[in-house]
Amino acid sequence: KAGVTQTPRYLIKTRGQQVTLSCSPISGHRSVSWYQQTPGQGLQFLFEYFSETQRNKGNFPGRFSGRQFSNSRSEMNVSTLELGDSALYLCASSEGGASGNTIYFGEGSWLTVV
Amino acid sequence: GQQVMQIPQYQHVQEGEDFTTYCNSSTTLSNIQWYKQRPGGHPVFLIQLVKSGEVKKQKRLTFQFGEAKKNSSLHITATQTTDVGTYFCAGPLTGANNLFFGTGTRLTVIP
Repeated sequence: KAGVTQTPRYLIKTRGQQVTLSCSPISGHRSVSWYQQTPGQGLQFLFEYFSETQRNKGNFPGRFSGRQFSNSRSEMNVSTLELGDSALYLCASSEGGASGNTIYFGEGSWLTVV
Repeated sequence: GQQVMQIPQYQHVQEGEDFTTYCNSSTTLSNIQWYKQRPGGHPVFLIQLVKSGEVKKQKRLTFQFGEAKKNSSLHITATQTTDVGTYFCAGPLTGANNLFFGTGTRLTVIP
């Protein structure tokens, strides 16, 4: 099976712009979660989608949004970028959700905001 | 709110020495998972513990889940340079279906 695929791997944006990141989960996995990783804050949960519905949401401002398509692929969007949004954004997929299931991370999208 | 702390934050060991990282949750966890992230890489699942007092081994790695299901540990025997990375514990958020990650322990192995 192919692993979790995230695109793009690296990108640079300027403050105020918006960005869309994409994630293709492992085939057959219906749950997709997004995490933000920074040196100062560690791994923080953004949101989780299951069968096109957002099931859980972390403590991030409304500038962070996401969606999931019928083929389980997911996108996350960050609008009005701030310097503090510079981070590694990780997507993780699992069969039914992280509780009790193994989750598999993609290689991540490195976002730099200048 | 729910918190998962790990100690130590950093650990430097000589190759061949043992290493232990401890994970403590403010709330009881239904299960705990451990992940390893190599420098520049992404977290990779190592193991999941579910039962109170459970102990699991993977070669030189020993994982324990506390009796109260609020703490866990990872012990590596005779470290090798390939063990370098950050080790995270993670548990499901109460009532939710996503993981709350610990603060991580970054291991450096000196050859």
